[in-house]
Amino acid sequence: AQKITQTQPGMFVQEKEAVTLDCTYDTSDPSYGLFWYKQPSSGEMIFLIYQGSYDQQNATEGRYSLNFQKARKSANLVISASQLGDSAMYFCAMREGRDDKIIFGKGTRLHILP
Amino acid sequence: SQTIHQWPATLVQPVGSPLSLECTVEGTSNPNLYWYRQAAGRGLQLLFYSVGIGQISSEVPQNLSASRPQDRQFILSSKKLLLSDSGFYLCAWSRGGASGRGTDTQYFGPGTRLTVL
Repeated sequence: AQKITQTQPGMFVQEKEAVTLDCTYDTSDPSYGLFWYKQPSSGEMIFLIYQGSYDQQNATEGRYSLNFQKARKSANLVISASQLGDSAMYFCAMREGRDDKIIFGKGTRLHILP
Repeated sequence: SQTIHQWPATLVQPVGSPLSLECTVEGTSNPNLYWYRQAAGRGLQLLFYSVGIGQISSEVPQNLSASRPQDRQFILSSKKLLLSDSGFYLCAWSRGGASGRGTDTQYFGPGTRLTVL
């Protein structure tokens, strides 16, 4: 079974609108971390935001916020006021407990339209 | 601050030739190091990771190998490249050690684009 599921292979959004990128995860470990990365066409992987399983509040970093719904095992990324530069591939990822590895989803390609 | 370097940035190699990709990290000690491969339009596949010098864990059986000759150096190698080895290779690091693993973010290098002809 997939540990990280991103059900949206591609999305088209009008500039300045808010965007929600879906991510669900599967783990039986009570301690885990959730990450979102952005990969523009240049190929670099840019870390955006982190949410810990014990964090009481949703993580926020500037225009990025993580809608963490623990019971539903959901960790959606919300981008407010989208910009053309937000066009990129977005990956959700998880690290379980004391594991050294991070597991990545297959990604969502986001296109921001002018 | 920490930085991660990869070279070369791009590489075109014939089938059957050897490969050596290098990754180095600055500004930290005893990092965890990772090699990923990304095929065109696809997600990331973890190939190897290392929690210390000489300690390599392999995730996928293949004709690639990895070595960590120094604390902050991670090398990906092959004796004979296959067409299927083409892809974008990313090196990443995260904080090492026994504490706080669940929170440790991985930070990526700029990547090497490998084309095998």
